[in-house]
This record gives sequence, structure tokens and C-alpha cells, in this order.
Amino acid sequence: SYELTQPLSVSVALGQTARITCGGSDIGSKSVHWYQQKPGQAPVLVIYRDTNRPSGIPERFSGSNSGNTATLTITRAQVGDEADYYCQVWDSTTRMAFGGGTNLTVL
Amino acid sequence: QVQLQESGPGLVKPSETLSLTCVVSGYFMSSGYYWGWIRQPPRKGLEWIGSIYDPGSAHYNPSLKSRVTVSVDTSKNQISLKVTSVTAADTAVYYCARQGDGPDYFDYWGQGTLVTVSS
Repeated sequence: SYELTQPLSVSVALGQTARITCGGSDIGSKSVHWYQQKPGQAPVLVIYRDTNRPSGIPERFSGSNSGNTATLTITRAQVGDEADYYCQVWDSTTRMAFGGGTNLTVL
Repeated sequence: QVQLQESGPGLVKPSETLSLTCVVSGYFMSSGYYWGWIRQPPRKGLEWIGSIYDPGSAHYNPSLKSRVTVSVDTSKNQISLKVTSVTAADTAVYYCARQGDGPDYFDYWGQGTLVTVSS
């Protein structure tokens, strides 16, 4: 199965830039998607196919993907961005795979 | 606006079968797209269970494949999930979701339903 590795937690100062990584073998050759999940709520898609933002997602959210690491970047971090973030890929063998999730804290 | 709503028993006994339904509104399932099930054990991450496009094209997480069945009824605009021989490890919030036009990501999610496996 295809393994995705995320840090358990990331902290960022209010108004600064947060970067959440997602590691996987040659992940740059795959499309990576990112979800935000707040406590007690369903996940929400924030980035799809590496760099695309769904309608309604602020421009502060962006994504990149190269080599063995994909990154979700959140600029001008706000308290409302505190959440768990999950990366996900579709693989022809594994089909859907999720990373373990990263808890973002805004200090 | 596409909306999904899961329903089913909140408590299932060990060794029995877990059965859930997800009703879709705002979109006719017969028009296409994959539809999937994802679960999340308490205080843990997301786990894909399986997805379906039409009755002949279901795909499953290899780790669950022997116990899981996903089905679709386009006449009722709903998908269903069955998990057999459940244990406490199957206790989770179960979500249904629509897969985007890839179908490599989930663009619409239900609110989720908690299923507890306990005697």
C-alpha cells in the first residue's frame, strides 16, 4: 500500500506562514489533495490536484508538490485555521490513501 | 448544492453486521461520479473504506475488502455500506462522500455518523 507521512503537529504564530508537509515515495508524480477538519466536523477539501482551491477556500491556502514531498501552505494564519489537516492521494493500486493527519496550532 | 446524509444504527454488537445508508440530494447519482465511504476511529485519522461508480464497479481498501460491501441504488439516490463480523476496532465515525471528476478526491462529504461496536 502507498504510505503518506505527515508530522503529528505544526505550530505557527498568528499572522505568520504555516507549512504542513506530506511525504511519500515519488509523490511528485501523483496528484495530492488536502482536507481541513475541525473538531466534531466533517473534513473539507481545501486543495485538490496539488495546487487548486475549491470555490470558497481563501487564497491564503496553497499547495505544492515535488519529489517526495507535498506541502500545504497557509499564509497569514488565523485562529480559525486551527484544525487537523490530511493529505490524500489516489493510487492505481491502493486507490485512496490518507496521511495520518497534522494538528495545526496557531499561537 | 450536493448534500449527503448518513444514517443507521449507532450501536452494533460484536460479530454482527454494520449497515449504513447515505442519501444524496441536490444531484442525480445516475448522472455519474464515484461515491465513497470513509471512517475515522475516535481520536484517529481518516481511513478509506471503499467506493462505487455503478453496481459493477466497486473498489475496496485491501485491508477491509473481505468484510466490506458498498452498493448503490440510483433509483433511491443512495449508497449503502455493510461491514461484517465487526469488532471494537470498527468503532468510528462513518462518512459518505462524493468523489470529484478525477475521481481522485472527495469534494462533498456527509456530516458523518458514529457507530459503536459493543455488547
